[in-house]
Amino acid sequence: GAGVSQSPRYKVTKRGQDVALRCDPISGHVSLYWYRQALGQGPEFLTYFNYEAQQDKSGLPNDRFSAERPEGSISTLTIQRTEQRDSAMYRCASSLGIPGQVDNEQFFGPGTRLTVL
Amino acid sequence: KQEVTQIPAALSVPEGENLVLNCSFTDSAIYNLQWFRQDPGKGLTSLLLIQSSQREQTSGRLNASLDKSSGRSTLYIAASQPGDSATYLCARRRAGNNRKLIWGLGTSLGVNP
Repeated sequence: GAGVSQSPRYKVTKRGQDVALRCDPISGHVSLYWYRQALGQGPEFLTYFNYEAQQDKSGLPNDRFSAERPEGSISTLTIQRTEQRDSAMYRCASSLGIPGQVDNEQFFGPGTRLTVL
Repeated sequence: KQEVTQIPAALSVPEGENLVLNCSFTDSAIYNLQWFRQDPGKGLTSLLLIQSSQREQTSGRLNASLDKSSGRSTLYIAASQPGDSATYLCARRRAGNNRKLIWGLGTSLGVNP
């Protein structure tokens, strides 16, 4: 597609349920990033991938959060046993990410609004 | 401590004014800095990216500057329009191999017709 896409756009779930959020990056983009944004706050880094390799997961809040990108394209962010404090906008971005390339502009998808009741 | 700070948090101006949004960062080891626009209920739109070797970038009525030594970036919007109303976020990437962005909290801009 022309841009980064995310699904679902909205997700309402009950506390304790697992959720999976999907990100489809711009075709050919090497790097894929996950961020979380609470209302009225700036985005907060969660994790990122180069190809299928997870490069940095230091922003994942706890072990209920995990992410994968098995074929180096689509990525899934999974939250197990959701809690109300997980409610936020989850944003995915991708960049060309070619080593040595000067321009590593990140392009964002529309986000998934997660609400945990 | 906030690594990236944006001032002011909110700004309201009449249409036609030139305005400056400020972004400061604590770590001068910067790879690049990116300015984004966020509209309610929508995604983040990249406006300008400045590499550490550059001092400014321009796109239409927007001009962003970068001063690594003082740890500051400014976004200049000329002849503001009501359609410019949005939240403006700056984010920096630290020098090195890690590509994650560290974000400010944003400046909420309202341009009144």
